[in-house]
Amino acid sequence: AQSVTQLDSHVSVSEGTPVLLRCNYSSSYSPSLFWYVQHPNKGLQLLLKYTSAATLVKGINGFEAEFKKSETSFHLTKPSAHMSDAAEYFCVVSAPYNQGGKLIFGQGTELSVKP
Amino acid sequence: NAGVTQTPKFRVLKTGQSMTLLCAQDMNHEYMYWYRQDPGMGLRLIHYSVGEGTTAKGEVPDGYNVSRLKKQNFLLGLESAAPSQTSVYFCASSPLAGLAKNIQYFGAGTRLSVL
Repeated sequence: AQSVTQLDSHVSVSEGTPVLLRCNYSSSYSPSLFWYVQHPNKGLQLLLKYTSAATLVKGINGFEAEFKKSETSFHLTKPSAHMSDAAEYFCVVSAPYNQGGKLIFGQGTELSVKP
Repeated sequence: NAGVTQTPKFRVLKTGQSMTLLCAQDMNHEYMYWYRQDPGMGLRLIHYSVGEGTTAKGEVPDGYNVSRLKKQNFLLGLESAAPSQTSVYFCASSPLAGLAKNIQYFGAGTRLSVL
């Protein structure tokens, strides 16, 4: 079975300061991991994905995430927050693709960015 | 290229009424999914399809039915709506192969209220 836990339901940062959104996963096989972002009243957009090619994954808009197997973590970071980063972020693990590629979502972390 | 289109965008139903949500994708994707999003719970998979004419149950299938008569369309039906089905519904699609394999592309959502 697979699951993800996002350790913070809400994170607040000031514009220009670093962002850290924490995610731990559980998977009985080598996982595919993702971060998706959802801006208010919008659909979900893929930020980045990890599929075992490299442990440090770079995504769009300056975000990156590091896969740490020993810690079962996949934290999302950004060096400098921008007002437009305010949104809800979901850490996601995927079931094997030959089993339908179903996504299992974390509960979400709401990121607020203060001027 | 419209991607994933959901109709309608908003709907209000009375308890016991029925309705169908339509999802259409123009990317020739094999896999399609229906999720519901509730506050603090992330997205939960209702049903999914790995190809035309096939469907399977997800995490929360009760009270819903689906059909995939054409590859590009995935319909979600509520036969007798209940207040517990008040939610935001998202459709997604994913290709079977290629660089975008295992990435799901989401529609903008349907906001449903059941009174």
